[in-house]
Parts: sequence; C-alpha cells; structure tokens
Amino acid sequence: AQSVTQLGSHVSVSEGALVLLRCNYSSSVPPYLFWYVQYPNQGLQLLLKYTTGATLVKGINGFEAEFKKSETSFHLTKPSAHMSDAAEYFCAVSAPGNYGGSQGNLIFGKGTKLSVKP
Amino acid sequence: DVKVTQSSRYLVKRTGEKVFLECVQDMDHENMFWYRQDPGLGLRLIYFSYDVKMKEKGDIPEGYSVSREKKERFSLILESASTNQTSMYLCASSSGLAYSYEQYFGPGTRLTVT
Repeated sequence: AQSVTQLGSHVSVSEGALVLLRCNYSSSVPPYLFWYVQYPNQGLQLLLKYTTGATLVKGINGFEAEFKKSETSFHLTKPSAHMSDAAEYFCAVSAPGNYGGSQGNLIFGKGTKLSVKP
Repeated sequence: DVKVTQSSRYLVKRTGEKVFLECVQDMDHENMFWYRQDPGLGLRLIYFSYDVKMKEKGDIPEGYSVSREKKERFSLILESASTNQTSMYLCASSSGLAYSYEQYFGPGTRLTVT
C-alpha cells in the first residue's frame, strides 16, 4: 500500500527566502508523485508531477521538486518566496491498485501550510 | 482547460435533511472522486467512480452514497445529514489513461450542518 508523510504542518519563511516543503512516500511499486497547492477557499491546483524520466521536475510559479528513490522523497522547493505563495501544499502518490485495482487513485499527505512574512 | 464545477460553494442544512452535492466535469474523464477535507486530516476519499454506474468505496463511505448516471456528472448524497458531516467537500476527475493520473479539482463546497 502507498502512503505519504509531509514533515511540518506549518512552515514560515521570509519573503525572498528559500522554500522547502518535505514529502516522503512509501510505495511497493514505482510511484507517480504530485504536488498540489490550495489557496484559501479554493480547490486544489496541480503544481507539478513526476511520472517517469527526469527526476528533477519543474512546475508552475517557479516551484520544482526532485524525485529521490533512495531516500523515498519528493521535496518541493522554490528559490525565493513571494507573498502570493502563502497557501496549503499537498503531496500525493499514485500507483495502480490503490483500491481493488482501480487506476488513478491518489493518496494525499495531510498538507503543509506555508506562511510568507514580509 | 479542464473544468470541474460543483453546484454550490456554500451550503447550510439542518440535521436529518437529505443533501445532494453535484459535480460536473467537461473533459470526458473516466474517473471521478469525492473527498472531504478537514483541518489537520488532509483529504479523505469518500467514494470514487471509474465508469458510468460504477462506484467504489473510499476510506470513509459511512453516511454517504453516490450516483453516476452520466459520464460527466457525479453526485454525492448525504442520506440524513449530521453535524459531524460539516466539512469542505471536494470533487475531482481524472483521465483513465495510465500515464495521466493527475486529478483536476472543483472549487469545493463548504457544507455546514446545524
């Protein structure tokens, strides 16, 4: 079975500082990995995803994440935080057979709220 | 652009009422999902469907049912609403193709049961 752990339910950074949101996963098969962002009172929006190929994945709004199989990690980074990055971020993993063999199911972490100080 | 719409952004219902939450997607996606989101608990899967008239239970199906009569529409039903079902409800859809598991989310319905 798959699982996702996000370290830190709240992260606070200063504007212009590095953003690092941690995600570790567990999967018995090669995983697909995702980062989603949720702004207040909105649904989730895909930031980036890793399926196969290049392990460094670039997403929208200057975010990127690196798939490290040996560390079972998929941490999200952004070199310089902006006030508009304040939101909740969710890491998710998917693999065939999460539920009775049905494809396309995602297992989500509990989320990390990012605050950006001026 | 994929669009997933939900019938209401905010809903207030009384205990014991039957509640319908509607979700429509316009991308001909095979898979559709209902989640509830609560602070500190993240997203929890209630039900999902990978084809018309097909449904599967997720992690927390108790107190809920679903209906999928058309490919684009997936309804969540609270048969007898209770206060512990006060939550944010998110609908999502995805393609059934193996290389594209990303899910597209609607804006959410914040349901309050009094």
